[in-house]
Amino acid sequence: SQTIHQWPATLVQPVGSPLSLECTVEGTSNPNLYWYRQAAGRGLQLLFYSVGIGQISSEVPQNLSASRPQDRQFILSSKKLLLSDSGFYLCAWGSNQPQHFGDGTRLSIL
Amino acid sequence: SQQGEEDPQALSIQEGENATMNCSYKTSINNLQWYRQNSGRGLVHLILIRSNEREKHSGRLRVTLDTSKKSSSLLITASRAADTASYFCATDAGGGYQKVTFGTGTKLQVIP
Repeated sequence: SQTIHQWPATLVQPVGSPLSLECTVEGTSNPNLYWYRQAAGRGLQLLFYSVGIGQISSEVPQNLSASRPQDRQFILSSKKLLLSDSGFYLCAWGSNQPQHFGDGTRLSIL
Repeated sequence: SQQGEEDPQALSIQEGENATMNCSYKTSINNLQWYRQNSGRGLVHLILIRSNEREKHSGRLRVTLDTSKKSSSLLITASRAADTASYFCATDAGGGYQKVTFGTGTKLQVIP
């Protein structure tokens, strides 16, 4: 069966520090991969999606970037975090609908 | 911008009652999905209804879709305390890569 792992579960970082969140999927090949951000009490905003290794599409301009170095690995990064980057970050995979989500990373910026 | 808007934003009911949540969207869709999110966790897919379907059932869940009104409803019958969660609709407008747009969610509290 397919599983998705996302870590860390929580992260507290100072403003201006770098960020790296990792997501891996097991049990499927060539999935579409997605990074979302969820503000407190709100819906999900799609940040990036990827249809293959090295293929990244950005949905909104922001301080973040994404990479897909391997078929089932999706990384969310930032060189310098801003206060506005705080939130709950969710990784998801899908080949056909629906999407399957990881347990998320709660990112707090101090 | 958000495609789906759920209402109500919050709903509190007694265990055993039915819970109904509504979702409205703006553009034509290929399908509409409902997800559930327990506090601090990822989303779990509940049910998908295609644009040519009007109603779908899964256990205690019943979803309807009215494409003429661009709206959907999720009914949870005989609610349980364990149904307490946030519920989101998500629409696939066919833009490719199975991208979906999520609504703002309904927070359901079921009181034992």
